[in-house]
Amino acid sequence: GQQVMQIPQYQHVQEGEDFTTYCNSSTTLSNIQWYKQRPGGHPVFLIQLVKSGEVKKQKRLTFQFGEAKKNSSLHITATQTTDVGTYFCAIKKGDYKLSFGAGTTVTVRA
Amino acid sequence: NAGVTQTPKFQVLKTGQSMTLQCAQDMNHNSMYWYRQDPGMGLRLIYYSASEGTTDKGEVPNGYNVSRLNKREFSLRLESAAPSQTSVYFCASSVGQGVYEQFFGPGTRLTVL
Repeated sequence: GQQVMQIPQYQHVQEGEDFTTYCNSSTTLSNIQWYKQRPGGHPVFLIQLVKSGEVKKQKRLTFQFGEAKKNSSLHITATQTTDVGTYFCAIKKGDYKLSFGAGTTVTVRA
Repeated sequence: NAGVTQTPKFQVLKTGQSMTLQCAQDMNHNSMYWYRQDPGMGLRLIYYSASEGTTDKGEVPNGYNVSRLNKREFSLRLESAAPSQTSVYFCASSVGQGVYEQFFGPGTRLTVL
């Protein structure tokens, strides 16, 4: 079935630095969602991308959907300790379901 | 609104015991889901209910059963727990067909000894 691969699996970032995490698919996607899960918490919806080449920003977070709609990226600028957690991408699977990537776990060095 | 609630928050079972995980949502959502989360494997769908009165298997349904009690409630039952079912279980809900944003409950941390 349709799946997504997230890279890297782990990201260790110095506070104040930027980083990017990627979500890749071998097939064309109709849309993609991103979720964040804080340590010990539950996944929380961040954003959905639908259009080819779409770019959306939420404060220091920039989300992009590739031109071919086969990949997506999440870029965080000036990383803060509040950015710690696991970021998941998720793709539509059928009419009701999502398929989640394995996630990128981010730790921040102060 | 409480959103999605789950009970219990923690549970320890012995192999072979049974239990039911409860989930309720107050957002008038049509679709509800049960996931399990294991380290490095993301979220895997166990069962889902597209709408009241329907349930369907997800990726990893073996060893589980579900009941969509009404529009608000969706329970997950382990009939004979096994150590491989040690995991964190999340319930989620969404508006329904065509709207995919999912809202998650706080999770149940289950250990099977």
